[in-house]
Amino acid sequence: DIQMTQSPSSLSASVGDKVTITCRASQGIRNELAWYQQKPGEAPKRLIYAVSTLQSGVPSRFTGSGSGTEFTLTISSLQPEDFATYYCLQHNSWYTFGQGTKLEIK
Amino acid sequence: QVQLPQWGAGLLKPSETLSLTCAVSGGSFSGYYWSWIRQPPGKGLEWIGETDHSGTTNYNPSLKSRVTISVDASKNQFSLKLSSVTAADTAVYYCARGPKIYVSGWSWGSFDYWGQGTLVTVSS
Repeated sequence: DIQMTQSPSSLSASVGDKVTITCRASQGIRNELAWYQQKPGEAPKRLIYAVSTLQSGVPSRFTGSGSGTEFTLTISSLQPEDFATYYCLQHNSWYTFGQGTKLEIK
Repeated sequence: QVQLPQWGAGLLKPSETLSLTCAVSGGSFSGYYWSWIRQPPGKGLEWIGETDHSGTTNYNPSLKSRVTISVDASKNQFSLKLSSVTAADTAVYYCARGPKIYVSGWSWGSFDYWGQGTLVTVSS
């Protein structure tokens, strides 16, 4: 099984800040990584797929990068609507989500 | 616009069988795998299993002994049954689309469309 270790588990930041969330895979997963945003009471929404491809309609302040076993999601300038929980997902070998990062307003 | 409305019983007693159904409207039903994913209250996401339009299924090994995913391609619907539920199965259950199935039979991708979620509570 491929394990996904996501960090940090929580993060406090202010509007306008730049934040980075990291996911590490227990083995190489090529480019088979996606990022999701989830707000309370809602289903997850895909932001990025194939490591760095932005989902249609997602603002360009979201960027994904990485390779092999280490991947990052960066939000360049936080907006009020970005405060949510973020998950990575690997789909190289079945599907495993990271534990989540709760992004809170400082 | 792809939509995945889902429904099913929300309150179960221990040992009963969970049953949920997801309908697919918009887009291709045969061109994707269709998954069930769950999320215990306040916790993370866990993939349960998937089916394609022909009924080919794959399951999370940790749940495989209790899970059955079936498909009704004539209605563009797929269903989840989870037997012998306990309080640990209390969660929001989501249906989702993905990965895409290519002409060669190869499949690739993540979950792009999700149902609205159904809270299933197991309590005596």
